Amino acid sequence: DAKTTQPNSMESNEEEPVHLPCNHSTISGTDYIHWYRQLPSQGPEYVIHGLTSNVNNRMASLAIAEDRKSSTLILHRATLRDAAVYYCILRDGAGGTSYGKLTFGQGTILTVHP
Amino acid sequence: ETGVTQTPRHLVMGMTNKKSLKCEQHLGHNAMYWYKQSAKKPLELMFVYNFKEQTENNSVPSRFSPECPNSSHLFLHLHTLQPEDSALYLCASSQEGPWSPAFFGQGTRLTVV
Repeated sequence: DAKTTQPNSMESNEEEPVHLPCNHSTISGTDYIHWYRQLPSQGPEYVIHGLTSNVNNRMASLAIAEDRKSSTLILHRATLRDAAVYYCILRDGAGGTSYGKLTFGQGTILTVHP
Repeated sequence: ETGVTQTPRHLVMGMTNKKSLKCEQHLGHNAMYWYKQSAKKPLELMFVYNFKEQTENNSVPSRFSPECPNSSHLFLHLHTLQPEDSALYLCASSQEGPWSPAFFGQGTRLTVV
């Protein structure tokens, strides 16, 4: 499975933008980049995903490097409710036994200060 | 509300008990997943079902037995568990393809005594 590398933790102030980085240097052409977050004592929540182009939705933006070896999740104005563990995951699109598998790493713990 | 419902939310069971966890989704998804999350650890994928067929068993001990009677329901049958099996058990569903987001239930907090 292609792996991702994220910082263990990041901090932000409320109402400021947050840029959460993810490195995935071994990504293959068919891997989709997914982001999820998990609030304390809850199941993970889907945030956003993309393949090659940048993506925007009501929760966040996803900026994908041109070579696809890294991506950045952007929260435009952090709130206290955005404090969570953020996971960057590659979802295999090539087929075979890893097809579609969603494998979680350690993620980035985001702390938001008032 | 994600559209994936897990019951019960909390479960305490003895090591000789038999219990079952239930997961239900009405999102029209054809893939369902069981994950285990122990304290301070990443989620571990346990089982994957695609179109009711098990396609992944991630070396899970036989005291955990999954069942997928249809695309909307997934069970995890538990018997003779150990205290180290205490964890948050999460169910998720998605379309089979990697372009599809996955949606998770709130989990069942299991304590084995």
